[in-house]
Amino acid sequence: QKEVEQNSGPLSVPEGAIASLNCTYSDRGSQSFFWYRQYSGKSPELIMFIYSNGDKEDGRFTAQLNKASQYVSLLIRDSQPSDSATYLCAVDNAGNNRKLIWGLGTSLAVNP
Amino acid sequence: EPEVTQTPSHQVTQMGQEVILRCVPISNHLYFYWYRQILGQKVEFLVSFYNNEISEKSEIFDDQFSVERPDGSNFTLKIRSTKLEDSAMYFCASSEQGLVGYTFGSGTRLTVV
Repeated sequence: QKEVEQNSGPLSVPEGAIASLNCTYSDRGSQSFFWYRQYSGKSPELIMFIYSNGDKEDGRFTAQLNKASQYVSLLIRDSQPSDSATYLCAVDNAGNNRKLIWGLGTSLAVNP
Repeated sequence: EPEVTQTPSHQVTQMGQEVILRCVPISNHLYFYWYRQILGQKVEFLVSFYNNEISEKSEIFDDQFSVERPDGSNFTLKIRSTKLEDSAMYFCASSEQGLVGYTFGSGTRLTVV
């Protein structure tokens, strides 16, 4: 059974701090990795995707991928109260272009 | 910005009844998906659809489920005989090129009583 694991949290950080969210995955064949944000009762919205080992930056967000360790992370710099949400890690199914496998999500609370 | 539209936003149905969840994907997208999320649980893949046929389905997507693209714009998910455990948020998604650029609809909350 292919799995994506995340610490469910809640992760609580003060406004302006860096929030670090982590995800591990079981399938070494996975090639595409996604971070989504989900507000309560809403649909997931894509924040970032990453394919290659290393870091990828987009504004306040940085995704980090280490395929050898089967680990992907998301850093949020200068955290804002509006960043408070559940962050979902999703991974493609062994390079299969047809579906994503999801983690349970990490709940992030940014305190003013 | 183009969006994926889902209707209804909330549906309550009695156990054993048939429901049809509707989705209008983004017009130039070619890949369509249904996912569901039971309250407090992971998002789960149900089915993907490309070139007018199912390209993959999960073990959840049994004979009670079916999908259609009846008119080139709508994409529907039918559950023939609903069970209590079908209660969940159902999300439709579409993309132009596979997994990149996935856009989710706002979801349909299905409650089976």
